[in-house]
Amino acid sequence: KQEVTQIPAALSVPEGENLVLNCSFTDSAIYNLQWFRQDPGKGLTSLLLIQSSQREQTSGRLNASLDKSSGRSTLYIAASQPGDSATYLCAVPISSGSARQLTFGSGTQLTVLP
Amino acid sequence: DGGITQSPKYLFRKEGQNVTLSCEQNLNHDAMYWYRQDPGQGLRLIYYSQIVNDFQKGDIAEGYSVSREKKESFPLTVTSAQKNPTAFYLCASSIKGPQETQYFGPGTRLLVL
Repeated sequence: KQEVTQIPAALSVPEGENLVLNCSFTDSAIYNLQWFRQDPGKGLTSLLLIQSSQREQTSGRLNASLDKSSGRSTLYIAASQPGDSATYLCAVPISSGSARQLTFGSGTQLTVLP
Repeated sequence: DGGITQSPKYLFRKEGQNVTLSCEQNLNHDAMYWYRQDPGQGLRLIYYSQIVNDFQKGDIAEGYSVSREKKESFPLTVTSAQKNPTAFYLCASSIKGPQETQYFGPGTRLLVL
């Protein structure tokens, strides 16, 4: 059974710092990997999706990498801002027909201090 | 505007009561999902549906039921058999394709009186 782990559980950094969030998974036979953002009491917003054939994906100040062989992904946030404060979750799908069941990590709660 | 709506935002359940959470999407997505999130934890899949009139159990389906009579709607009923229903419930939908991102609703917080 796929297990997804995110370390650290919480992270606090000063504004402007570059930071890395980590995600590891136990079964490397994944279809893709997604990073989501969740603000307190809100739903999830998709940030980046990396296909299994890709090694990284970029969107603005965000860069996600994927190393299937080692079962790891990282989310790099450049020049962090207080507005980046949120919980970041990674998820990998289990193939099941046309609906992909996602297995989520427990998230990293990020606080960017002004 | 296309998106997923969930109602109500907050729901209170009395002992022994069944309650139903609404999820509607106008994205024309075939697949829909229900997740449960407990404090400090990731999301766990309750039920999912690939097409109308079809649905499958996820990891924690006990004490829950769903229906999919319309493509746009996927309501979740929390039955009295669910002994620990207090949680944040999230509905999502997706379309089959290379970029199978799941789009999430704003969530419903269920509390027990």
